[in-house]
Amino acid sequence: QSALTQPPSASGTPGQRITISCSGSSSNIGSNYVYWYQQLPGTAPKFLLYRNNQRPSGVPDRFSGSKSGTSASLAISGLRSEDEAHYYCAAWDDSLSGQLFGTGTKVTVL
Amino acid sequence: QVQLQESGPGLVKPSETLSLTCTVSGGSVSSHSYYWSWIRQPPGKGLEWIGYIYYTGTTNYNPSLKGRVTISLDTSKNQISLNLSTVTAADTAVYYCASVVSGTYMIDYWGQGTLVTVSS
Repeated sequence: QSALTQPPSASGTPGQRITISCSGSSSNIGSNYVYWYQQLPGTAPKFLLYRNNQRPSGVPDRFSGSKSGTSASLAISGLRSEDEAHYYCAAWDDSLSGQLFGTGTKVTVL
Repeated sequence: QVQLQESGPGLVKPSETLSLTCTVSGGSVSSHSYYWSWIRQPPGKGLEWIGYIYYTGTTNYNPSLKGRVTISLDTSKNQISLNLSTVTAADTAVYYCASVVSGTYMIDYWGQGTLVTVSS
């Protein structure tokens, strides 16, 4: 597996709740923590969530994560214009012995 | 807070070696608290993990790049280096260095990235 699978795009209106899925396998999501990164236009990615659902300080509680089996998801509630960005999931892959990133999801606020 | 700054040529010719340096401030490359990683992103595409190095010199590389990639540390300059040999246009990307918290796979800090174009 060369990448975790994410939908290419997701959208919502301000205030709505959206979710982004991340699908993997037993050698990555199924046996390791999932991390989420946010990449605003023209900038480097930024750390968003760790260990499936933990938020570092400074990340709003509008962002939440979950994991079940070989899939994970990121939820953004109370969607705001500044949430427009690409979102990437990531997990260690035991077969690859390396870090796998998701294919990325572009979030648009309508 | 760890800060990372990538530097190196923005243009490399096909078949040559891409060489980048990442200067670390606010932390030490000799620290057991971090792995130091390189990640790249082709224009308009997603992220690809290249590899990492630990302060002991232990390295781990993406198998898709194995044989072409070398990551090393310069503790005297507090820098991490990336060498990627025999490049092609497919290696054109923004290259990021990043700090990975030891004992996890959590990338807590990223450099701003540097665009490297492979072209004659």
